Amino acid sequence: KAGVTQTPRYLIKTRGQQVTLSCSPISGHRSVSWYQQTPGQGLQFLFEYFSETQRNKGNFPGRFSGRQFSNSRSEMNVSTLELGDSALYLCASSSDRDLGNTEAFFGQGTRLTVV
Amino acid sequence: AQTVTQSQPEMSVQEAETVTLSCTYDTSENNYYLFWYKQPPSRQMILVIRQEAYKQQNATENRFSVNFQKAAKSFSLKISDSQLGDTAMYFCAFNGMRFGAGTRLTVKP
Repeated sequence: KAGVTQTPRYLIKTRGQQVTLSCSPISGHRSVSWYQQTPGQGLQFLFEYFSETQRNKGNFPGRFSGRQFSNSRSEMNVSTLELGDSALYLCASSSDRDLGNTEAFFGQGTRLTVV
Repeated sequence: AQTVTQSQPEMSVQEAETVTLSCTYDTSENNYYLFWYKQPPSRQMILVIRQEAYKQQNATENRFSVNFQKAAKSFSLKISDSQLGDTAMYFCAFNGMRFGAGTRLTVKP
């Protein structure tokens, strides 16, 4: 069974640009969540989707958005990039409706660098 | 809002010894789930162990065990017989959405 796939693995963007990251969950998983990982802040929860609906959202500005498609694949978009958005973005998928009590399977992440 | 605190940014342990990583959390909920995840240098995060708050018994997975103190809101991870492959970042998580800042564990030969 294929794991969680995130593309691209590495990305360099300029301040002010926008970026879209993609995540393909494990087959059969309908819950997808996104996290931002930085050395000083650890893992910060961005949002969670289940069956194309955003169920939970972390404390990030509106420049961060996401969506989920009918095949459970998810995309995350960041507009008007800032230097502070440089981070590793992790996607995780889960088989259960309730992310809280289910193991999350993580992708290898997309390393975004904003210059 | 729930917060998760890992007060040890870095730790090291000699191979074959035991190490304990600490985690505290804040919540007003009564039923919840706690997790420890491991992120090796290759970056793929994997689940180490899970604890359900309504269960009194501490979870155990081979060399990994937890000390869950619900009243104190503490959830520490004990690694026995440490191995070089245990070198990684360890994250404590609350209900799958709130993570601590992580503890970088280095196992020394």
